[in-house]
Amino acid sequence: DAGITQSPRYKITETGRQVTLMCHQTWSHSYMFWYRQDLGHGLRLIYYSAAADITDKGEVPDGYVVSRSKTENFPLTLESATRSQTSVYFCASSEGRNSYEQYFGPGTRLTVT
Amino acid sequence: QKEVEQDPGPLSVPEGAIVSLNCTYSNSAFQYFMWYRQYSRKGPELLMYTYSSGNKEDGRFTAQVDKSSKYISLFIRDSQPSDSATYLCPYSGGYNKLIFGAGTRLAVHP
Repeated sequence: DAGITQSPRYKITETGRQVTLMCHQTWSHSYMFWYRQDLGHGLRLIYYSAAADITDKGEVPDGYVVSRSKTENFPLTLESATRSQTSVYFCASSEGRNSYEQYFGPGTRLTVT
Repeated sequence: QKEVEQDPGPLSVPEGAIVSLNCTYSNSAFQYFMWYRQYSRKGPELLMYTYSSGNKEDGRFTAQVDKSSKYISLFIRDSQPSDSATYLCPYSGGYNKLIFGAGTRLAVHP
């Protein structure tokens, strides 16, 4: 199906475990983003990518790793999950330079116990 | 000081009311103004955007920008229960990045 998808939609993991959240878009958009959303904080940018093999940190990158070997995929890895990383994670994409319309995925609800 | 301040809400209105949602910004260099809408348990979606001062209308929605006052507003006419959502006014962080606040939660009750 066309669009932007995230998997899994729900995940429960234990403290210290590594977990990877997947994001896939079918539009060939250049830019992709990862946000986390917590009550009272709104959406905060974790990492973004301007193209394959180009990534950069956002506001809250600590504890996260990203890669972008293909334009359509932008996985987010929590190397050693902590309870403070319990959140809803949204992936988004946008077309190109100076395009401020971002298309968001449905989100992944992650709980770290 | 945050670059954009948004009314925290929540806002609760009866169906049919006119709703006014407001943001103020501090950076006069901002050129591009957006409103995103986020339904519960969904990702945000772009509702409206504008490059300039003045009004932009789309159906029941009007976005208003006053650059001299650094004030942006979203008006919803004849509000419907389906308008119940959180409304966000992000600003540009450069390189296509958007900086979001917590938004204003709106509830329209029948």
